[in-house]
Amino acid sequence: AQSVTQPDIHITVSEGASLELRCNYSYGATPYLFWYVQSPGQGLQLLLKYFSGDTLVQGIKGFEAEFKRSQSSFNLRKPSVHWSDAAEYFCAVGANAGNMLTFGGGTRLMVKP
Amino acid sequence: DGGITQSPKYLFRKEGQNVTLSCEQNLNHDAMYWYRQDPGQGLRLIYYSQIVNDFQKGDIAEGYSVSREKKESFPLTVTSAQKNPTAFYLCASSPPSLGNIQYFGAGTRLSVL
Repeated sequence: AQSVTQPDIHITVSEGASLELRCNYSYGATPYLFWYVQSPGQGLQLLLKYFSGDTLVQGIKGFEAEFKRSQSSFNLRKPSVHWSDAAEYFCAVGANAGNMLTFGGGTRLMVKP
Repeated sequence: DGGITQSPKYLFRKEGQNVTLSCEQNLNHDAMYWYRQDPGQGLRLIYYSQIVNDFQKGDIAEGYSVSREKKESFPLTVTSAQKNPTAFYLCASSPPSLGNIQYFGAGTRLSVL
């Protein structure tokens, strides 16, 4: 069975600083990997996805993520954080068969002015 | 505008009462999903449906029921058997191709009176 771990429950960064959110997955084959963002009381919005090919993927809002097979990781990065990036971030892994996703527990990002 | 509509945004349940959460999509997606979100636990799958008139239990189906009579609609009933229903409920849908991308509604917050 697949699983996803987001080791950091909370992260606080200063506005303008760089950001890296960690995601580790467990899956037997090449996974489909996703990052979603959730603002308080809202649904989830897709930031970016990895299916195959180039291991560095670009997403919306200036985010990027890198797939590292050897480390079973898919970390999310942003070079300069804006106050509006404060939200909860979820990493998810999908199986090749069907459209099922397994989500990590989430990382809550706070941005200091 | 195409999207996923969840209603109501807030819902209160009395002891012993069944309540139904609505999820409607006009994206022409085949697959639909219901997730429960509790603080610090990420998203857990309750039920999913890949096609009309068919649905499958997810990881935490006990105390919940669903129907899928129309492609656009996937209502979730929280029954009196669900002893801890207070949570944020998210509905999602997924197109037949494009891998495992799921698109989410804005959620319904259910509380117990």
